[in-house]
Amino acid sequence: DGGITQSPKYLFRKEGQNVTLSCEQNLNHDAMYWYRQDPGQGLRLIYYSQIVNDFQKGDIAEGYSVSREKKESFPLTVTSAQKNPTAFYLCASSIGRDFSHEAFFGQGTRLTVV
Amino acid sequence: QQPVQSPQAVILREGEDAVINCSSSKALYSVHWYRQKHGEAPVFLMILLKGGEQKGHEKISASFNEKKQQSSLYLTASQLSYSGTYFCGALEIYNQGGKLIFGQGTELSVKP
Repeated sequence: DGGITQSPKYLFRKEGQNVTLSCEQNLNHDAMYWYRQDPGQGLRLIYYSQIVNDFQKGDIAEGYSVSREKKESFPLTVTSAQKNPTAFYLCASSIGRDFSHEAFFGQGTRLTVV
Repeated sequence: QQPVQSPQAVILREGEDAVINCSSSKALYSVHWYRQKHGEAPVFLMILLKGGEQKGHEKISASFNEKKQQSSLYLTASQLSYSGTYFCGALEIYNQGGKLIFGQGTELSVKP
């Protein structure tokens, strides 16, 4: 079945560590996105990528980094520079770059700093 | 800037109707609506495009006023399964494509 897979589902990070969240899709979608979700704040865009080897900062990119070496994969690294990383992270993909079609979301990764 | 949704929360009895509004300070090229159950992925409900085209589920209806930069989602004869948080997403267009910016969400609870 086609879909978008995030791993791990739960992740614990010690302060000062970098961690990488995985996002893989087999939908042959060009565009991929990372959102952060905090209670009462909706989904806030971290990074997005319209094509391989290219990505753009979203509204809250500070403390995060991404890569897009393959069409299927868009991993997100939460660096030690991110002061408050505890949140629910959602990856999404869509067919085209103009969002004229629906976005498909992964099941999310819940990151907790311990 | 995020679109603004209203109300922030609403409680319904089964069978009642509800309207969720989404307003943007920027020009709206299209509006997406999604529903999310707690701890799960958001699920697509509808897209409203400029010019009046709509794509989505038959049992969901929505409106899109381009001039007022507003959209509304209409939930009629609500069922228990309608409970969840509803998000609108406003499309911002750039040279390389677009990005979807979401509102803060509206929490809907349907009681028996």
